[in-house]
Amino acid sequence: EAGVAQSPRYKIIEKRQSVAFWCNPISGHATLYWYQQILGQGPKLLIQFQNNGVVDDSQLPKDRFSAERLKGVDSTLKIQPAKLEDSAVYLCASSLGDRGYGYTFGSGTRLTVV
Amino acid sequence: AQSVTQLDSQVPVFEEAPVELRCNYSSSVSVYLFWYVQYPNQGLQLLLKYLSGSTLVKGINGFEAEFNKSQTSFHLRKPSVHISDTAEYFCAVSGTGFQKLVFGTGTRLLVSP
Repeated sequence: EAGVAQSPRYKIIEKRQSVAFWCNPISGHATLYWYQQILGQGPKLLIQFQNNGVVDDSQLPKDRFSAERLKGVDSTLKIQPAKLEDSAVYLCASSLGDRGYGYTFGSGTRLTVV
Repeated sequence: AQSVTQLDSQVPVFEEAPVELRCNYSSSVSVYLFWYVQYPNQGLQLLLKYLSGSTLVKGINGFEAEFNKSQTSFHLRKPSVHISDTAEYFCAVSGTGFQKLVFGTGTRLLVSP
């Protein structure tokens, strides 16, 4: 079974620029999550999709972050414009949606904003 | 809402010694509990999970954890660690619905020869 694919692995941008991350979940996984992991901290949920609908985006900074999951499969997370404090690893995860069976995480995208 | 506290930011231990990584949680509803491991420049890998039933849960790589509802704890243990166990360990909690995982701040396990 293929895992959760994310790209790019690394990205360096200047502040005020825009950036996009891509995630391809495990086939058949209805639920997709984007987490932000700042250095030295645990991952924090940004947004949760169930198929192509948003379940929870309460911690997504909507003035600069946006995400979509077209057709309930792939997802894109965008930051525009980026700030220095957005430097972090962005992790995508997916699950069947069955409660409590845990997620499968991708390797993440490490974003550095300079 | 749930929250997780990992009391130790770093735990140094010698190879072949036992280790315990502490995790306490807070929740007003029933929970599921998880331990994840993160090796450098990699994503999170599930070590073990508690959903229901036996409070002693065994996971991969020789790790186990015990759910203690009265103490709201889910400590991770291994009787004998290896150098390769050096990594960041995260405790996480979720409600028993389609709810998000809430992570602790992590404990860095440093195993030395």
